[in-house]
Amino acid sequence: GQQLNQSPQSMFIQEGEDVSMNCTSSSIFNTWLWYKQDPGEGPVLLIALYKAGELTSNGRLTAQFGITRKDSFLNISASIPSDVGIYFCAGQVYGGATNKLIFGTGTLLAVQP
Amino acid sequence: EAQVTQNPRYLITVTGKKLTVTCSQNMNHEYMSWYRQDPGLGLRQIYYSMNVEVTDKGDVPEGYKVSRKEKRNFPLILESPSPNQTSLYFCASSFRRNIQPQHFGDGTRLSIL
Repeated sequence: GQQLNQSPQSMFIQEGEDVSMNCTSSSIFNTWLWYKQDPGEGPVLLIALYKAGELTSNGRLTAQFGITRKDSFLNISASIPSDVGIYFCAGQVYGGATNKLIFGTGTLLAVQP
Repeated sequence: EAQVTQNPRYLITVTGKKLTVTCSQNMNHEYMSWYRQDPGLGLRQIYYSMNVEVTDKGDVPEGYKVSRKEKRNFPLILESPSPNQTSLYFCASSFRRNIQPQHFGDGTRLSIL
């Protein structure tokens, strides 16, 4: 099945550092979504992007929908220990009877206090 | 409280023994979907449903069935489970297919021996 290229696979940083991760695809998406998953739980939506070029913030998180509609990035500023988890990007394709959500392979973030 | 509820949370069973994982949402959402999560592969969409009696295949539908007889419920059926279906499964729902973000359940861990 189709997958997104998400990088980096993992990051080990110090508390207070900024973090950046991104996703790329050969396909165009209608919507880009960023999720965080904590151990033993389902993904939780962080940011949703609906238009090419859109830049959206949610607290210390900022994400952008690439102009080409084939990529997106997520930045976390001033990281804190509770930012630890796995971050997934997802691209949504819809139209007619189709509605599919394609996930990246995830970025594991570890934050050392 | 808005919830997506999956049952069971954990199941160990044997090859060939039919099983059903239930999913129920209390938000009157139209769109529901099932994913499986495997190490290194992220989440992959199995089936989705745009509304009652409307279902369609995702990226990895082989070996699975679904039904959507009521808006709130979207069970995942494994008619003859095999070991390669050992995975962590998530159900998700959205209000509308192209606007609202997805709400995920807490997951069902299936082990097929």
